[in-house]
Amino acid sequence: EPEVTQTPSHQVTQMGQEVILRCVPISNHLYFYWYRQILGQKVEFLVSFYNNEISEKSEIFDDQFSVERPDGSNFTLKIRSTKLEDSAMYFCASSDDRETEAFFGQGTRLTVV
Amino acid sequence: AQTVTQSQPEMSVQEAETVTLSCTYDTSESNYYLFWYKQPPSRQMILVIRQEAYKQQNATENRFSVNFQKAAKSFSLKISDSQLGDTAMYFCAFMSRSGNTGKLIFGQGTTLQVKP
Repeated sequence: EPEVTQTPSHQVTQMGQEVILRCVPISNHLYFYWYRQILGQKVEFLVSFYNNEISEKSEIFDDQFSVERPDGSNFTLKIRSTKLEDSAMYFCASSDDRETEAFFGQGTRLTVV
Repeated sequence: AQTVTQSQPEMSVQEAETVTLSCTYDTSESNYYLFWYKQPPSRQMILVIRQEAYKQQNATENRFSVNFQKAAKSFSLKISDSQLGDTAMYFCAFMSRSGNTGKLIFGQGTTLQVKP
């Protein structure tokens, strides 16, 4: 069964460092998303991406964040200068249509120290 | 702005019994989707069930069913014949169809424990 794959599963980084979280969406999907979940809290929308551009972003997704689809398979989230409060689980998701089920990856746990 | 509220932080149920998880939402829109996602200890988000707001019939998926009350803006999940594998955090989510970008708005989650 096709699935969304995220790497790494856990990343520890120093405050102020740049991190790139990687995702391989399901191959025929066209819509891509990033969400985050601070431990014990609800899942929050960060950004949606379609046709090589951001279609919507939340207030959380400030200038420190960027997304890219560098080739036909990967979808990345970059945090330029990490803060302690960026520590969270980051989920990538994809869907074949914006009104159908979003399939989620297993998440990347980011720990900023 | 739309909001989703799950007022039960934790619930427990005996194996084989039935449990209902509550969800309310707030929107001025008439056309939208509602979802229940399950997040087991492995942390991956898995779709449990989906409801289209324009459909009056409640969605069902095997042991999982919803009670969708559009006027009351309520969307509860019923799990019948609970199994140990149902132990997870359950999130209710809302998706607008207006200017839709596929964005999901999640509630705070309900942790469900199924006891043997």
